[in-house]
Amino acid sequence: GEQVEQRPPHLSVREGDSAVITCTYTDPNSYYFFWYKQEPGASLQLLMKVFSSTEINEGQGFTVLLNKKDKRLSLNLTAAHPGDSAAYFCAVSAPNNAGAKLTFGGGTRLTVRP
Amino acid sequence: EAAVTQSPRNKVAVTGGKVTLSCNQTNNHNNMYWYRQDTGHGLRLIHYSYGAGSTEKGDIPDGYKASRPSQENFSLILELATPSQTSVYFCASGDAGLGSDYTFGSGTRLLVI
Repeated sequence: GEQVEQRPPHLSVREGDSAVITCTYTDPNSYYFFWYKQEPGASLQLLMKVFSSTEINEGQGFTVLLNKKDKRLSLNLTAAHPGDSAAYFCAVSAPNNAGAKLTFGGGTRLTVRP
Repeated sequence: EAAVTQSPRNKVAVTGGKVTLSCNQTNNHNNMYWYRQDTGHGLRLIHYSYGAGSTEKGDIPDGYKASRPSQENFSLILELATPSQTSVYFCASGDAGLGSDYTFGSGTRLLVI
């Protein structure tokens, strides 16, 4: 089945720096891609959803890049601030995943130092 | 407001005991999921359901059962709890269509001693 590898597991940056988190997946039929944010002690909140026809998506303070050729998905937080400190998870869904199951990466714990 | 509510928030169980984790959703979603979250493993799928009366095995179903008695409720059952099942458990709901994201509950922290 689908396997998703997420790197790095821990990331510490200074306020104002950028932070890049990358996921690679194995199923070439993967079609939908998600980024979730989990603040300490809290649940997961959807950050962005990316579809196969989209290569670059920009949100508030971050950019998501999708490279289907390399089976790679990345989240780039531009000018990180302490409020971005959280765990981030990528998730992947493939058309042959009955029931729209998501396969999650192992997560990245981001710390933004003032 | 549509939501996914889990209970209890925290649970301490003894080895060999029975544990039931409950999840209720008001999103009117067909699909519901149970994941466990462990450091270094991210979220791993235990069981899921397409609707009332259905349960399916996820990637790590051993030692767990699930029950979906209604559209709104989905339970995870540990018949004989073991310390290896100490974890944080998340319930989620989602639409049936591909590309649907999940709405997560707040999680249940389970300690088996």
